[in-house]
Amino acid sequence: KAGVTQTPRYLIKTRGQQVTLSCSPISGHRSVSWYQQTPGQGLQFLFEYFSETQRNKGNFPGRFSGRQFSNSRSEMNVSTLELGDSALYLCASSLEGYNSPLHFGNGTRLTVT
Amino acid sequence: QQQVKQSPQSLIVQKGGIPIINCAYENTAFDYFPWYQQFPGKGPALLIAIRPDVSEKKEGRFTISFNKSAKQFSLHIMDSQPGDSATYFCAARSGYALNFGKGTSLLVTP
Repeated sequence: KAGVTQTPRYLIKTRGQQVTLSCSPISGHRSVSWYQQTPGQGLQFLFEYFSETQRNKGNFPGRFSGRQFSNSRSEMNVSTLELGDSALYLCASSLEGYNSPLHFGNGTRLTVT
Repeated sequence: QQQVKQSPQSLIVQKGGIPIINCAYENTAFDYFPWYQQFPGKGPALLIAIRPDVSEKKEGRFTISFNKSAKQFSLHIMDSQPGDSATYFCAARSGYALNFGKGTSLLVTP
């Protein structure tokens, strides 16, 4: 079974721009979560989707948004990029999100200049 | 604020040694405690997980010890190998979100 696939692997953007990251979950998984990983703050929860509905949201500004499609694929968008948004963005999928383990992709490395 | 506190930040052991990584939490609503292993350039991979009604769980060379009254849990790696050199994260679940510790960088020397 293919794992969680995130595209692109690397992105370089300029402050003020917006960016969209993509995630394809493991086949059959209906829950997708997003995490931000930085050296200073570690891994922080962004949001979780199940059947196209956001069930939980972390403590991030409204510039961070996401969505899930009917095939469980997910995207996250960051608008008006700031230097502090530079991070590794990780997507994780699970069967249904609560009683099933999370499987992470290898992430998208976003650099904001 | 950091809901899960992890220590030490880094650890060096010789091959065959038993590194121990500790985590502590305050929120008694946490109901699931996984450990993840991350290699450079890769996403975290689930190693082992425990629920608060169990005091110990073993999977291969990895053991979680859980102390509910102290709100602490730890990871022991038996007979550690150089291939175990990685960053380890503890986590605690609240709702649909995992709250992660800041990670422990483990180096196992030959």
